[in-house]
Amino acid sequence: EIVLTQSPGTLSLSPGERAALSCRASQSVNSNFLAWYQQKPGQAPRLLIYGASSRATGIPDRFSGSGSGTDFTLTISRLEPEDFAVYYCQQYGGSPRTFGQGTKVEIK
Amino acid sequence: EVQLLESGGGLVQPGGSLRLSCVASDFSFRTYGMVWVRQAPGKGLEWVSGISTDNTYYVDSVKGRFTISRDSSKNIVYLQLNSLRAEDTAMYYCTAARGYLDYWGQGTLVSVSS
Repeated sequence: EIVLTQSPGTLSLSPGERAALSCRASQSVNSNFLAWYQQKPGQAPRLLIYGASSRATGIPDRFSGSGSGTDFTLTISRLEPEDFAVYYCQQYGGSPRTFGQGTKVEIK
Repeated sequence: EVQLLESGGGLVQPGGSLRLSCVASDFSFRTYGMVWVRQAPGKGLEWVSGISTDNTYYVDSVKGRFTISRDSSKNIVYLQLNSLRAEDTAMYYCTAARGYLDYWGQGTLVSVSS
């Protein structure tokens, strides 16, 4: 099983600042099959990034994904008020599919 | 607009059963895998079970207790939950998958308690 470790657990930032969220895998993720999701309180998660770096439909270009192998990053270039949420990475290159434990981005 | 509408959750005693349903609309249901993801209260996401056109998949903790199925004529996916335990208490989300989880429903809550 591929274990995904996200860091930091909580990121305290102000609107307009840049956020960098890390997701590290215990073994290489096949074909960079790594996705990122955003979840706001009381809502279902939504897909942001797939294939490590491809934005899902309708996702603003301030969200970007990068990385390969075992190290991946989600970057939010300039935080908007609606971006404060919990973010999860997920790998879909191995079985079972697994999620990271999440990074909470909170308002400083 | 893509919709995934879950139902069937509720309060059940340990050892009991539930059947979750997810009705899909406005996307090509037959071309997607369907996956159930759960989230225990205050916790993270857990991939539970998935179904493609001809294969089913389960996380180890539910193997032998949960069964996933789909009816492509009705655009419905089911998750039969048997021998429920307290640790199965969670919001269960239905998702449409192409490996990554493209579309999500709003979830149905399963509570296992005596």
